[in-house]
Amino acid sequence: GAGVSQTPSNKVTEKGKYVELRCDPISGHTALYWYRQSLGQGPEFLIYFQGTGAADDSGLPNDRFFAVRPEGSVSTLKIQRTERGDSAVYLCASSAQGQLNTEAFFGQGTRLTVV
Amino acid sequence: SQQGEEDPQALSIQEGENATMNCSYKTSINNLQWYRQNSGRGLVHLILIRSNEREKHSGRLRVTLDTSKKSSSLLITASRAADTASYFCATASNAGGTSYGKLTFGQGTILTVHP
Repeated sequence: GAGVSQTPSNKVTEKGKYVELRCDPISGHTALYWYRQSLGQGPEFLIYFQGTGAADDSGLPNDRFFAVRPEGSVSTLKIQRTERGDSAVYLCASSAQGQLNTEAFFGQGTRLTVV
Repeated sequence: SQQGEEDPQALSIQEGENATMNCSYKTSINNLQWYRQNSGRGLVHLILIRSNEREKHSGRLRVTLDTSKKSSSLLITASRAADTASYFCATASNAGGTSYGKLTFGQGTILTVHP
């Protein structure tokens, strides 16, 4: 597609439920990043994929969070047993090769609300 | 965790005036980038300045970088109402052997341009 696509745009879920957030990167981009942005804050890094593998998952807050990218394109961020503190905008970005000096293109994000 | 501080947190100006936003960071960097965000959703890349550069221009944007002070500034000249948005600086570092574009964001500056 023309840009990074994230679905759904908004997700409201009950505390304790499981959610999946999807990211469709720009075609051909091998690098994919997930960030989380709480209200009034800047985005915080969660995980980085190069191809199919998670090269850096140091930003995942705990083991309730997991992400996959099985075919090196679409990625899914999975959150188990959601908590109210997980409410945030989840942003996905992709770049051509993931090198330090390359521009990352961001999607519009998924606003997750846990009630 | 956030890399550093942005100053001011909020800026309100009239159309036609210049807007200056500052960013400070804590660790050594490979490059610093500025992003714009409308309505708390997708981030748009504005400009990237490498650690060996001191100044960069793009249209009405001027970015400076002072690595000795670990600070950067973004100047928007002749502002327009459409420039109203949040602006974030983000750093990419090769500390610890990192060779990919993992970004650490500041807290952002909310810019309001009144017509």
